[in-house]
Amino acid sequence: GAGVSQSPSNKVTEKGKDVELRCDPISGHTALYWYRQSLGQGLEFLIYFQGNSAPDKSGLPSDRFSAERTGGSVSTLTIQRTQQEDSAVYLCASSPNLRRLAGGGASYNEQFFGPGTRLTVL
Amino acid sequence: AQRVTQPEKLLSVFKGAPVELKCNYSYSGSPELFWYVQYSRQRLQLLLRHISRESIKGFTADLNKGETSFHLKKPFAQEEDSAMYYCALSKKNAGGTSYGKLTFGQGTILTVHP
Repeated sequence: GAGVSQSPSNKVTEKGKDVELRCDPISGHTALYWYRQSLGQGLEFLIYFQGNSAPDKSGLPSDRFSAERTGGSVSTLTIQRTQQEDSAVYLCASSPNLRRLAGGGASYNEQFFGPGTRLTVL
Repeated sequence: AQRVTQPEKLLSVFKGAPVELKCNYSYSGSPELFWYVQYSRQRLQLLLRHISRESIKGFTADLNKGETSFHLKKPFAQEEDSAMYYCALSKKNAGGTSYGKLTFGQGTILTVHP
């Protein structure tokens, strides 16, 4: 089946411009996450949407970053007035409703990742 | 706040040699630990999770709560194991369910030479 998709795959922009990155999660997945992957910083959490709950924005590095999730499906990450330090690969992931392991026991939260958007700020 | 540390950025071994990728964590609650892998030109994917105690592609990882470690091991490395490996932590609620964001380590690039 179709996995998580992201667009564009690559984005080159000039410092100071705004950019929008799109994520299409796996159909039916209730949770959606944005992460940033950069050299020296590893993978950093940005924001998390779970159903109709208020999003967890605790990872957003500044108020230039924002994200929306419309209709519980597609999400857009917006970076305003881009800076060179925003250059990174932005990864989106989605996960289904928490599910129990066969035979009972604790559930787990497997996240399925998209291919990422490589953002370069000149 | 939770934290995951992978002390080795790069790890090189020869085919057939044992490999161990180190991961230490700090978290005051009860965590769920995972290993994710990213092969060249592929997307990040789950390799294994501690709660299921499985062996995937010959890899195993044991959660050591005393040492707060979750090292990934394989007795005989293969060339196709070459990839970026991330250790990750997720919180668990009182019911034992993991939820929410993953906190990742910095990643270890494993290279297996022929």
